[in-house]
Amino acid sequence: LAKTTQPISMDSYEGQEVNITCSHNNIATNDYITWYQQFPSQGPRFIIQGYKTKVTNEVASLFIPADRKSSTLSLPRVSLSDTAVYYCLVGASMDSNYQLIWGAGTKLIIKP
Amino acid sequence: KAGVTQTPRYLIKTRGQQVTLSCSPISGHRSVSWYQQTPGQGLQFLFEYFSETQRNKGNFPGRFSGRQFSNSRSEMNVSTLELGDSALYLCASSSDRGHEQFFGPGTRLTVL
Repeated sequence: LAKTTQPISMDSYEGQEVNITCSHNNIATNDYITWYQQFPSQGPRFIIQGYKTKVTNEVASLFIPADRKSSTLSLPRVSLSDTAVYYCLVGASMDSNYQLIWGAGTKLIIKP
Repeated sequence: KAGVTQTPRYLIKTRGQQVTLSCSPISGHRSVSWYQQTPGQGLQFLFEYFSETQRNKGNFPGRFSGRQFSNSRSEMNVSTLELGDSALYLCASSSDRGHEQFFGPGTRLTVL
């Protein structure tokens, strides 16, 4: 069963670039890596998804090395509103029971 | 396009009772997943329904069940409630497995 590991918490300052790394040693060949953001009392919100190398959208970049055993979410020039919990999601297949495994989440606190 | 809706938003029950939660996915989405979120355990996958069939299931006891209707709306039922069932129950819809999931606001269940 695939598991993901993320730092429990991180601090940074407005205007800085923040990188959050997720470890997923048992990722399956066909699995994608997805990151979500969650604010208190809200459901998670999709940020970015990738399979390999680098993916970039208007809010973040996702770096995935060749072995795909880890991934790094990069948030450029963060603001106070980026304070949230960030989850790394890896689809894990085990026999016929495809399970979605969520990391414990990284609580990111942005300071002024 | 309307987002994912969940009803009720808040619910208070006592031990031993049962509860039914409802989720209406985004129009056109056929996959509905349910999650339990607690401070201690984080986000845990309950099950996923696709075209009225349970396609995936997490590691929860049989007291947790669900179903999906022909219009993709889904319900989740918890019988014989326990204090530990107090949690935020989140529903997410997507067009298919592995695709971006859109979460609802959740139902906050408190078991007394």
